[in-house]
Amino acid sequence: EVQLVESGGGLVQPGGSLRLSCAASGFTFSSYDMHWVRQPTGKGLEWVSVIDTAGYTYYAGSGKGRFTVSRGNAKNSFYLQMNSLRAGDTAVYYCAASSPFTDAFDIWGHGTTVTVSS
Amino acid sequence: SYELTQPPSVSVSPGQTATITCSGDKLGDSYASWYQQKPGQSPVLVIYQHDKRPSGIPERFSGSNSGNTATLTISGTQAMDEADYYCQAWGSSTNVIFGGGTKLTVL
Repeated sequence: EVQLVESGGGLVQPGGSLRLSCAASGFTFSSYDMHWVRQPTGKGLEWVSVIDTAGYTYYAGSGKGRFTVSRGNAKNSFYLQMNSLRAGDTAVYYCAASSPFTDAFDIWGHGTTVTVSS
Repeated sequence: SYELTQPPSVSVSPGQTATITCSGDKLGDSYASWYQQKPGQSPVLVIYQHDKRPSGIPERFSGSNSGNTATLTISGTQAMDEADYYCQAWGSSTNVIFGGGTKLTVL
């Protein structure tokens, strides 16, 4: 079964850090660019970051300098290290996979909730 | 900054055709994709590369693009199609842009 499973969400104080993980199975992980997309409660989707198949990383402006994405192809996993968290980072964080065949997000995880609050 | 504009809401009667638009300056340079998201669920890809359907997506879902506007059309809309729909395109430096989302109500 093709799936992505996120973990690592939770409650963190402003200024704190959190590391999200995403475990992939059922597809050739190394052939897909891997993304994080977040969604505040009741709001729309916001792209956060990507790590492509070559290991290059790109970030939305909101996370530059605070977020770091990495991947471990041997473990079929990828990660989002989030530092200096703010209330505005509160959201459901989805991992998603995009393939060069579709230029779209073919596979989505179920999401993990990050709450930044004192 | 690059933006994609969608109507906040669209209403349709069962069996009729629903049309959701997505406008953006660079849509002519980038493929558009569409995602369906039902309450409490993750998004699901329904259209990619403007007009292609992934396997498992019903034929009533179709997409098109004309200049700077992409369109998602749902023919013979069913109650199960009630959801939020998001368009998505690619900006510069592999950045990803999502539209603000459209809430489709099947009355």
